[in-house]
Amino acid sequence: EPEVTQTPSHQVTQMGQEVILRCVPISNHLYFYWYRQILGQKVEFLVSFYNNEISEKSEIFDDQFSVERPDGSNFTLKIRSTKLEDSAMYFCASSALRGDTEAFFGQGTRLTVV
Amino acid sequence: KNQVEQSPQSLIILEGKNCTLQCNYTVSPFSNLRWYKQDTGRGPVSLTIMTFSENTKSNGRYTATLDADTKQSSLHITASQLSDSASYICVVSPKAAGNKLTFGGGTRVLVKP
Repeated sequence: EPEVTQTPSHQVTQMGQEVILRCVPISNHLYFYWYRQILGQKVEFLVSFYNNEISEKSEIFDDQFSVERPDGSNFTLKIRSTKLEDSAMYFCASSALRGDTEAFFGQGTRLTVV
Repeated sequence: KNQVEQSPQSLIILEGKNCTLQCNYTVSPFSNLRWYKQDTGRGPVSLTIMTFSENTKSNGRYTATLDADTKQSSLHITASQLSDSASYICVVSPKAAGNKLTFGGGTRVLVKP
């Protein structure tokens, strides 16, 4: 069964460092997303991406965040200068279409900023 | 502000028993409502998706209901198994928002033998 894969599964970084979280969406999907879940809190939408550009972003997704689809398979989330409060589980998701279609989530990358 | 609230926060049930989880939402208008299962440290996995015109949808031992008038949904688990131990999350997709999903806080279910 096709699945969304994320690497690494766990990333530890020092405050102020840049991190790149990587995702390989399901191959025939066109819409890509990043969500995050701070420990003990709800999953929160960060950004959606379609046709090589951001289609929507939340208030959380400020200038320190960026997304990119550098080739035909990878979808990345870059955090430019990490803060302690960026520590969370980051989930990548993809869907075939917009709207009433299922979004498939990856297993997540646990980011710990120290 | 769009919100999704779930109850109870957690529950413990004995293997083989049934349980029902509740979800109330304020998202309006909405496109669809979903229930996800999330194992600890893993990504959410979709159980059901219902549009506003659907009242009920089943996926094996999981049955979701939706009342769009009262903005309530429930997830019923029948004949629970140990593998059902997980968080169950109610998720609403606002109309025209695609997969910009609004998540509830989840109900943590523990099934005991």
